[in-house]
Amino acid sequence: EVQLVQSGAEVKKPGESLKISCKGSGYSFTNYWIAWVRQMPGKGLEWMGIIYPGDSETRYSPSFQGQVTISADKSISTAYLQWSSLKASDTAMYYCARSEGGYSLYWGQGTLVIVSS
Amino acid sequence: EIVLTQSPGTLSLSPGERATLSCRASQSVSSSYLAWYQQKPGQAPRLLIYGASSRATGIPDRFTGSGSGTDFTLTIGRLEPEDFAVYYCQQYGGSPRTFGQGTKLEIK
Repeated sequence: EVQLVQSGAEVKKPGESLKISCKGSGYSFTNYWIAWVRQMPGKGLEWMGIIYPGDSETRYSPSFQGQVTISADKSISTAYLQWSSLKASDTAMYYCARSEGGYSLYWGQGTLVIVSS
Repeated sequence: EIVLTQSPGTLSLSPGERATLSCRASQSVSSSYLAWYQQKPGQAPRLLIYGASSRATGIPDRFTGSGSGTDFTLTIGRLEPEDFAVYYCQQYGGSPRTFGQGTKLEIK
C-alpha cells in the first residue's frame, strides 16, 4: 500500500527555521516525483514545487523560488520542505503528494505550520 | 504560467441534482493534462479525474470529466450527500503546475 506520512504540526516564531518531512512507503521512492502543495487557512491549493528523489532534480514555482527549499534523502525515502526564516504568512497546511506524471493520486495527511509571535 | 479560472465560485444544489463545474485555462493545456480533485474539510485532496476525462480508481461513474484546449468541465450526474465539497482543477501540461481557485459545492 502506497503511503505518504508527514511530520507533525509545528508552532514557530517569525524568523525561526523549520524543516518538515514526508516519508514514502509501499513503492519505489526514487521512481516518482514528490510535489509540495500549500493551503493557507480557508484558501485554495497552491503548487510549490517538485523533486525527483532518484537524482534530487528540483523545480520550483516562481512564487516559491527562493522562499523555500525542497530536498530529499532517498536512503530513508523522505522528502523535505524547509524554511530558513519563517514569516507569519507561511502559516498554512502543507501537503506532499506523489506525482503520477503530473497529477497526484497519493497525498500525505498534511502538516500544519503556524507561525506566530 | 497557466492560470486556471474556475466557475462558479459557489454552486448551491440539492441532492439528486446535476452539477456542472467549469475550469478555463489562460492558454491551451497540452495533451489535455488536466486533473480534478475533491477536498472535504480537514482532509487532503482526492483525485477524481486525470487526463481531462479518465476517472481515477474507485471514483463513481457519476463523475465525468470533459473538455480540451482551454475549456474543461466536471459533471456530477446525480449528487449524493457526500459530494458536497470543494473541487479544484489542476493543469500539469505546463510548468509550473497550477491549480484553479476552487468551486465550493454546497447543499441548497
